[in-house]
Amino acid sequence: DAMVIQNPRYQVTQFGKPVTLSCSQTLNHNVMYWYQQKSSQAPKLLFHYYDKDFNNEADTPDNFQSRRPNTSFCFLDIRSPGLGDAAMYLCATSDGQGIPSPLHFGNGTRLTVT
Amino acid sequence: AQTVTQSQPEMSVQEAETVTLSCTYDTSENNYYLFWYKQPPSRQMILVIRQEAYKQQNATENRFSVNFQKAAKSFSLKISDSQLGDTAMYFCAFRFHAGNQFYFGTGTSLTVIP
Repeated sequence: DAMVIQNPRYQVTQFGKPVTLSCSQTLNHNVMYWYQQKSSQAPKLLFHYYDKDFNNEADTPDNFQSRRPNTSFCFLDIRSPGLGDAAMYLCATSDGQGIPSPLHFGNGTRLTVT
Repeated sequence: AQTVTQSQPEMSVQEAETVTLSCTYDTSENNYYLFWYKQPPSRQMILVIRQEAYKQQNATENRFSVNFQKAAKSFSLKISDSQLGDTAMYFCAFRFHAGNQFYFGTGTSLTVIP
């Protein structure tokens, strides 16, 4: 089945130690997103890629970076994680061509910062 | 960012009964898309139902239907014959016709009581 896969499901990192979360997709969608979701809150869009075009949300901290080396993969890099960055990170895709498609989500990566 | 409001943080319903979750949004655009997503505990967020703003007919997917009131900017979700598996967080989401960003409400936690 076509899907969005996030690895790992759980990630523990130390305060200030860089961490990378990964996402892959087999849907061949040209748009990929990273959302941050804290407990009992709405998913907050950090940034998205339309093909190779990177679109950063205005309020996304500089501490968060992203890479998309090809259509299938997208990475979220947190350069110096703080305690406030502990959250669920959701990767999603959509087909940005033609009639807008809904988001397809991965299972998420739960990040703990110690 | 687009404003999407879900005014019911928590709701409960007896199994087999009907429940309605509310969502309002704020936009001056005429063409957009609305979605309801379901996020079961510790599980993947999945699409429940979608509505195109240019369509007057309310969308229906089996036991799930919406009441889309464009003038009132209201988009409620009705779940009929509630089942235990419907227990989840439900998020309302908005997307402009142009652009790729999806904006989420703060969610409603629904519990189906046996």
